Amino acid sequence: EDQVTQSPEALRLQEGESSSLNCSYTVSGLRGLFWYRQDPGKGPEFLFTLYSAGEEKEKERLKATLTKKESFLHITAPKPEDSATYLCAVGGNTGKLIFGQGTTLQVKP
Amino acid sequence: EAQVTQNPRYLITVTGKKLTVTCSQNMNHEYMSWYRQDPGLGLRQIYYSMNVEVTDKGDVPEGYKVSRKEKRNFPLILESPSPNQTSLYFCASSFGQANSPLHFGNGTRLTVT
Repeated sequence: EDQVTQSPEALRLQEGESSSLNCSYTVSGLRGLFWYRQDPGKGPEFLFTLYSAGEEKEKERLKATLTKKESFLHITAPKPEDSATYLCAVGGNTGKLIFGQGTTLQVKP
Repeated sequence: EAQVTQNPRYLITVTGKKLTVTCSQNMNHEYMSWYRQDPGLGLRQIYYSMNVEVTDKGDVPEGYKVSRKEKRNFPLILESPSPNQTSLYFCASSFGQANSPLHFGNGTRLTVT
C-alpha cells in the first residue's frame, strides 16, 4: 500500500536557524513527489516536483532532495515569513496521489 | 493569470438544504479533483475527474456528487448536507493525477448547522 509519513509534525525555529523536514514514502513505481506550502485557511501552493532519486530542486531558502525512500525539504536561514504547513505528496503507478499529514513550521524572529 | 477559482469562500447552511460549490480552472487541465481538509485528518480526496464526462470516487465520496460537463468546470454538489460535512474544501487541477503538480483553489469553508 502506498504511504507517506512526514516528520516532525511541528517544528519551531529561530530566525536564521537552518533545519530539514522529512517525507518518508513507500510507493509502487514513483511517478512524482511533490512539496507544497500551505498558509492557514488557504489552498496549498506548489513548490517542487521531484521525479527520480538523486534529483534536487532549489528555490530561495528552500531545497528539496529525493532518495528512493524519502525526501527532505531543507530550509536555510529561515525567516518568519517561511512559517507555514509544508505538505508532501507522492504519486505512484496506482495513479493516486497520496498526501502526508504535513509539518507545521513556526519561525520566530 | 493561471488559477483555480472556487466559490463561495465561506458558506453557512442548515442540514438538508442542497448546495453547490463551484470550481473553475483556466489552465486547460484534464484532471480535476475535490478534497476536504479536517484537523488531524489531512487532505482527503472526495471525487476526481480525468476528463470531460469522466468522474470517479475518491476516498470519502459519501454524501457528495460531482459533474464534469465542461473541461474548465467541476462543481461539487451536496444534495442533503449534514453537520459532519462541515469542513474546508479545496478544488484542484493538473495535467495528470500522479505525475503532475496540482494547482489548488483558495478553499471553501463550509459550516452545516
